[in-house]
Amino acid sequence: GAVVSQHPSWVICKSGTSVKIECRSLDFQATTMFWYRQFPKQSLMLMATSNEGSKATYEQGVEKDKFLINHASLTLSTLTVTSAHPEDSSFYICSARNQPNTEAFFGQGTRLTVV
Amino acid sequence: DAKTTQPPSMDCAEGRAANLPCNHSTISGNEYVYWYRQIHSQGPQYIIHGLKNNETNEMASLIITEDRKSSTLILPHATLRDTAVYYCIVSYGSGNTGKLIFGQGTTLQVKP
Repeated sequence: GAVVSQHPSWVICKSGTSVKIECRSLDFQATTMFWYRQFPKQSLMLMATSNEGSKATYEQGVEKDKFLINHASLTLSTLTVTSAHPEDSSFYICSARNQPNTEAFFGQGTRLTVV
Repeated sequence: DAKTTQPPSMDCAEGRAANLPCNHSTISGNEYVYWYRQIHSQGPQYIIHGLKNNETNEMASLIITEDRKSSTLILPHATLRDTAVYYCIVSYGSGNTGKLIFGQGTTLQVKP
């Protein structure tokens, strides 16, 4: 299957700082990317959907000013967690899709710990 | 909210077929059924998807009922490495319309 790569795999940051997570589709053009977060022993929760060159669509309850999503090219999307706090500590996962109604491929995830 | 209902957990003996059910009684005519699995602390892995017809690939088979209100994922010869959380998702469209919403999934435990 196609490859989606996230970087970094894990990050520890201090409370109040910002962290950027990259999501790259390595062998296909991702017209749509999804960002999820997952707390321990819970399912994935969709945060936002982004189409290349457009503003992201955020799910209800997700603060768009706190979780900045940029999808500037067909192979790269970034999620920036601004002014991170300990409650933002979570597993963040991106997913990318080339065409509608086809499989979306997932990155390996980024574990964020805010101290 | 997820549009699917799955049993929270199932066990399967190694080497036997694992049959994972999913109910999607409110599925609309153009929505696809997707199956993913997640092994602990990894990103989900795509398994298979279909619209109306049964589908088979190197990993699994997908059986969709004629009324499309339920489906079954079949792992023909389960191995210990198939122990994971399996998610059934229904979705249609592009961009935000075609988003994939995960429910609670089924935790499959393959036992020796």
